[in-house]
Amino acid sequence: GAGVSQSPRYKVAKRGQDVALRCDPISGHVSLFWYQQALGQGPEFLTYFQNEAQLDKSGLPSDRFFAERPEGSVSTLKIQRTQQEDSAVYLCASSLRDREMNTEAFFGQGTRLTVV
Amino acid sequence: EDQVTQSPEALRLQEGESSSLNCSYTVSGLRGLFWYRQDPGKGPEFLFTLYSAGEEKEKERLKATLTKKESFLHITAPKPEDSATYLCAVEFYGGSQGNLIFGKGTKLSVKP
Repeated sequence: GAGVSQSPRYKVAKRGQDVALRCDPISGHVSLFWYQQALGQGPEFLTYFQNEAQLDKSGLPSDRFFAERPEGSVSTLKIQRTQQEDSAVYLCASSLRDREMNTEAFFGQGTRLTVV
Repeated sequence: EDQVTQSPEALRLQEGESSSLNCSYTVSGLRGLFWYRQDPGKGPEFLFTLYSAGEEKEKERLKATLTKKESFLHITAPKPEDSATYLCAVEFYGGSQGNLIFGKGTKLSVKP
């Protein structure tokens, strides 16, 4: 596709429910990132993949959060036993960058998760 | 602790009234500073990357500059369609690629 695609756009989950958020990066992009954006705040880093390797997961807030990118393309962010504080917009971004390059990251429109 | 601070939090301008947004940072070894624009309900849209003090980049009515401690986003003769939240982010040596630290943003409103 022309840009980063995320689905669903909106998700309402009952507290305790598991959710899965999908990201389709721009074709050929090596790097993929997940960010969490609370209302009125800037995005906060969650995790980073280079191809299928998860190189940094230091931003994942708890062991309820899990991300994967098994074939180096599509990625899924899974949140188990959702809690109200998980309510936020989850943004995915991809870039061409590798270890030698500094290139910009392109963001998707995000998935707005509301936990009730 | 690494930190990015943007000011002002909100800015209201009349169409044609030029101004500047500020992004100050305290990071141990800046790898790059990024400016993004974010419209309501959308993801951030890339504007500029700056890598070293003294660097400047321009795009239409926007011009970004970088010093050792801060960056400015200058908006010349803004139009209503420039209304958005402008986000600044830094990437630092020692962090992984893509681990950007974002500021909270400046919400810009341009009235006709």
